[in-house]
Amino acid sequence: AQSVTQLDSHVSVSEGTPVLLRCNYSSSYSPSLFWYVQHPNKGLQLLLKYTSAATLVKGINGFEAEFKKSETSFHLTKPSAHMSDAAEYFCVVSAGGGADGLTFGKGTHLIIQP
Amino acid sequence: SAVISQKPSRDICQRGTSLTIQCQVDSQVTMMFWYRQQPGQSLTLIATANQGSEATYESGFVIDKFPISRPNLTFSTLTVSNMSPEDSSIYLCSAYWGGVNTEAFFGQGTRLTVV
Repeated sequence: AQSVTQLDSHVSVSEGTPVLLRCNYSSSYSPSLFWYVQHPNKGLQLLLKYTSAATLVKGINGFEAEFKKSETSFHLTKPSAHMSDAAEYFCVVSAGGGADGLTFGKGTHLIIQP
Repeated sequence: SAVISQKPSRDICQRGTSLTIQCQVDSQVTMMFWYRQQPGQSLTLIATANQGSEATYESGFVIDKFPISRPNLTFSTLTVSNMSPEDSSIYLCSAYWGGVNTEAFFGQGTRLTVV
């Protein structure tokens, strides 16, 4: 069994300041972990993924995440927020790299203040 | 990257009727999945669409309510049967090719409203 907990339902930051979206996971296997972004009325887009290679994963648009096994965490960060980052972010876990389907967290709504 | 086309993109249906959603992928794919995203909620996996055999359903979802077909490696359908207002959601198709360097791609979704 696997699960994902996104610790914040909403995060609000000012443009140009750092972003931190928190995610903890639970998995019986060595998990694959993903962050997806969903802009309003748009489809899901993969930001980055961890599949047992380097623990610090760099994604698109300046986002990165660090896999910490000891803390069962996979937090998403970005050094400087941009207005276009405003969206819903989902932390996702899979036991089989995606071959057995994905388990989504409840999502974090990121708000960027001008 | 893959292109996944879903039809219809949205529909408004009467309760008690059924709607079939189509998902077409632009290349042969190993795995196809169907998800539901209820209003203001996250995505929940409904089932894995297996080519040539019955779909594998997640807990809480049954074949009578959500029959799924996958006649070949590029196409799948999801039917939402005997609809009620609680079935109002976005339904998304996903495709996965396997291997370490691949990812799951998603269709744009079908926004269903049941009245």
